[in-house]
Amino acid sequence: QKEVEQNSGPLSVPEGAIASLNCTYSDRVSQSFFWYRQYSGKSPELIMSIYSNGDKEDGRFTAQLNKASQYVSLLIRDSQPSDSATYLCASLKAGGYQKVTFGTGTKLQVIP
Amino acid sequence: DADVTQTPRNRITKTGKRIMLECSQTKGHDRMYWYRQDPGLGLRLIYYSFDVKDINKGEISDGYSVSRQAQAKFSLSLESAIPNQTALYFCATSDTPGQGPFIPQHFGDGTRLSIL
Repeated sequence: QKEVEQNSGPLSVPEGAIASLNCTYSDRVSQSFFWYRQYSGKSPELIMSIYSNGDKEDGRFTAQLNKASQYVSLLIRDSQPSDSATYLCASLKAGGYQKVTFGTGTKLQVIP
Repeated sequence: DADVTQTPRNRITKTGKRIMLECSQTKGHDRMYWYRQDPGLGLRLIYYSFDVKDINKGEISDGYSVSRQAQAKFSLSLESAIPNQTALYFCATSDTPGQGPFIPQHFGDGTRLSIL
């Protein structure tokens, strides 16, 4: 079982809809979670972080964390074609060596 | 100019050759990282450095070495390249009060390396 799992997609949503990207993790020691956006052929860009259970909103983006169920999600409201990219989920473990583990990413396609 | 600059952007070379990938940054960050990205495997940490005198192995350091020449410069070397080191390599930085000690915040544009 991978430490951080994401559906590779592609996830296709129409323009203006809500895109929901999900991520599950296997290690309960994981304490913080991060979302990166990576356009095709480009480098990852850190867009969201979440540290506690619940929702965190930033503009059109909402990160959700449920530690009991070990999942993290990223909601993108009013999706735009410019949101089409691969979204990487990453977890950070606590402890002496704070290991960051990346998922393989979900490709999002926003259809005009 | 980019805040994190990697050179070269693309490189094709042969098995057994020594290769150096260079990274320089203008963000003034202490922390620098080298990652590789492979399809289906995600980003994996090769080495990281918290300052010029502090260099640490990541999860896949075998076959690689690094040098932190200055706060702004962090180089990755493949001493004797092999085909399974073919990948997309990223340098990244983060600042101390950032998300956490191991969270890369700013990435370079990447080096696409092919080992024949």
